[in-house]
Amino acid sequence: SQQGEEDPQALSIQEGENATMNCSYKTSINNLQWYRQNSGRGLVHLILIRSNEREKHSGRLRVTLDTSKKSSSLLITASRAADTASYFCATGASDLPGANSKLTFGKGITLSVRP
Amino acid sequence: DAGITQSPRHKVTETGTPVTLRCHQTENHRYMYWYRQDPGHGLRLIHYSYGVKDTDKGEVSDGYSVSRSKTEDFLLTLESATSSQTSVYFCAIREANYGYTFGSGTRLTVV
Repeated sequence: SQQGEEDPQALSIQEGENATMNCSYKTSINNLQWYRQNSGRGLVHLILIRSNEREKHSGRLRVTLDTSKKSSSLLITASRAADTASYFCATGASDLPGANSKLTFGKGITLSVRP
Repeated sequence: DAGITQSPRHKVTETGTPVTLRCHQTENHRYMYWYRQDPGHGLRLIHYSYGVKDTDKGEVSDGYSVSRSKTEDFLLTLESATSSQTSVYFCAIREANYGYTFGSGTRLTVV
């Protein structure tokens, strides 16, 4: 079963606007990650936030994590047409060695940025 | 990022035949994963490995087996392919920062 669920399923914005995507999850986590997938390609890691962190930045990306609400958001500021892609959140239960070192992915959000 | 190569990139096979997909990495990463991606389901974990000869099942492992006889190669075998196994298969490795690096995928069609 999926751990993370992204919202909305699809988002269409104008270039230059900000894009906000949300992820909710059900069980406790060690970390939460966001990935981007361009059409026909593999997923690309964007950012990781640990359960003891509340906010993290990377370039035009800002990720927040609220463990009390079991939710995360990904904000892309000043969007570009090249940001058009699918975005996935993924949760990790543990970063310890062994059997729990796996990520569970959501179904993804399709972002379209209109030029 | 790790060099990670999947082969083949595309394959069409007949129902009932065995199929093996290969994932090769060049940087001695310990953790490797096989996912399948289907419309409406996102990515689902099939099997993963946390070392040579150490593998475990994911959420959709029925009909699949894996082998990891050396660090750089992780093989996924469909023992007897079915139409429900038509999918895009992705291999991934876990980097030191705990993020995953994915291969380019194998598009498998079972007819």
